[in-house]
Amino acid sequence: DTGVSQNPRHKITKRGQNVTFRCDPISEHNRLYWYRQTLGQGPEFLTYFQNEAQLEKSRLLSDRFSAERPKGSFSTLEIQRTEQGDSAMYLCASSSLDHGTNEKLFFGSGTQLSVL
Amino acid sequence: QKEVEQNSGPLSVPEGAIASLNCTYSDRGSQSFFWYRQYSGKSPELIMFIYSNGDKEDGRFTAQLNKASQYVSLLIRDSQPSDSATYLCAVNRVGGFKTIFGAGTRLFVKA
Repeated sequence: DTGVSQNPRHKITKRGQNVTFRCDPISEHNRLYWYRQTLGQGPEFLTYFQNEAQLEKSRLLSDRFSAERPKGSFSTLEIQRTEQGDSAMYLCASSSLDHGTNEKLFFGSGTQLSVL
Repeated sequence: QKEVEQNSGPLSVPEGAIASLNCTYSDRGSQSFFWYRQYSGKSPELIMFIYSNGDKEDGRFTAQLNKASQYVSLLIRDSQPSDSATYLCAVNRVGGFKTIFGAGTRLFVKA
C-alpha cells in the first residue's frame, strides 16, 4: 500500500487521559503535516515536519500537544490530559517538495477522537 | 481576518449547470493555490492546483487565479450529483512554508 496510513481510526477516551496517534506517510515523502478538523470546518494546521525536523507548531496549540517524527519516517501526535474540546478528526498528510515549488498533500483517513 | 476565506454555502446547482466556487487569501506572499474535494466522512483529495495568473483547465474543472485581487476560483462544468462535496481552497508559499486551508464550501448538485 502506497498511501498515508493512520492509526487508530477511532479513539474514545475519558477527559484527563493521554492519547497517542500514529501516522505512516508515503515512503518517499519528506514532509509530514498534522491537521485537526471539526464538523463544518476546514483542516486546521497543527504542526509539520520536513524529514525529522519540526518546522512549525501552531500558536493555537497548547503545551498538551506534542508531535515527533523520529528518523524522518512515521510520526506520532500525543495529547496529554485530554479535554472535551480536543474531540475532532486528526488528519495526517504527507508531501514532497518538487524543486521547492509543488506541494501536493496526500491525506490519511484520519483518527476520530472523542473525549467523554 | 482569516488567512483563507471561503463562503461556507451550501451552494446548490442543478445537474448539468456550472458551479462556481470562490476563495480569497490574505498573504500576498502566497504563490501556490490548491483545490481539494472532501466527501462527507472522507479525507480531502487534491483535484486542481494553479500557480500562475489566469485559467487552468483539467477536464470539467477550471481553476482561475488573480494574484492582484488575491482571489482564486474553481468552476465545475456540467455538474454531476457525484460532485456534491465540500471544496477546500488551500494556499502555500513557495519554498517550504506550510499549507493553509479555508473552511470549505459545501456544494450540492441536484439531479
